[in-house]
Amino acid sequence: AQTVTQSQPEMSVQEAETVTLSCTYDTSENNYYLFWYKQPPSRQMILVIRQEAYKQQNATENRFSVNFQKAAKSFSLKISDSQLGDTAMYFCAFFRRDRDDKIIFGKGTRLHILP
Amino acid sequence: SQTIHQWPATLVQPVGSPLSLECTVEGTSNPNLYWYRQAAGRGLQLLFYSVGIGQISSEVPQNLSASRPQDRQFILSSKKLLLSDSGFYLCACSRGNGQLVSEQFFGPGTRLTVL
Repeated sequence: AQTVTQSQPEMSVQEAETVTLSCTYDTSENNYYLFWYKQPPSRQMILVIRQEAYKQQNATENRFSVNFQKAAKSFSLKISDSQLGDTAMYFCAFFRRDRDDKIIFGKGTRLHILP
Repeated sequence: SQTIHQWPATLVQPVGSPLSLECTVEGTSNPNLYWYRQAAGRGLQLLFYSVGIGQISSEVPQNLSASRPQDRQFILSSKKLLLSDSGFYLCACSRGNGQLVSEQFFGPGTRLTVL
């Protein structure tokens, strides 16, 4: 069974700094997707970034980028020039197209951006 | 794009009372639908998912149940609430019907407090 591990329960960084959130996963599959979701205090879950396992190039979305290491089964999220609005819970998630399309979520990392 | 509505936004119920949470989806047809629970400070726990009308799969045996009476309606129910049912309930959808789309979109959630 697939598992997703986020080893950092909580992190704090100063505004404008760069922060990296770690995520590792375990799977025997070759074709899958990885996501980072953000859940701000409003509790609304928002998709931040998506990576297809067959793509070697790391996904980027503005200030958000990932470091996808397929062999190491690592999928870290880098937030550059962090802003106060980045304060949220961040979830790493794994998806493999299957009969039921379930996503496996990590337990989350609570990120605080300090002014 | 799809929009997910959840009702009610907050709910306070006594132990032993029934529960009905509603989720409706706009902007897509034949979606896969999901119910998650997020306990305080915890990650997401998948409760139920549905790939079509009347098709419900349960991930965790408990006193909750789900139903999908219409293509874009997903209902979470309980006959008798327990204290442990308190939490934040999120409804999510992903495009099903054989389309290779993987990410899930989340509703605004319902905060349930059982006293």
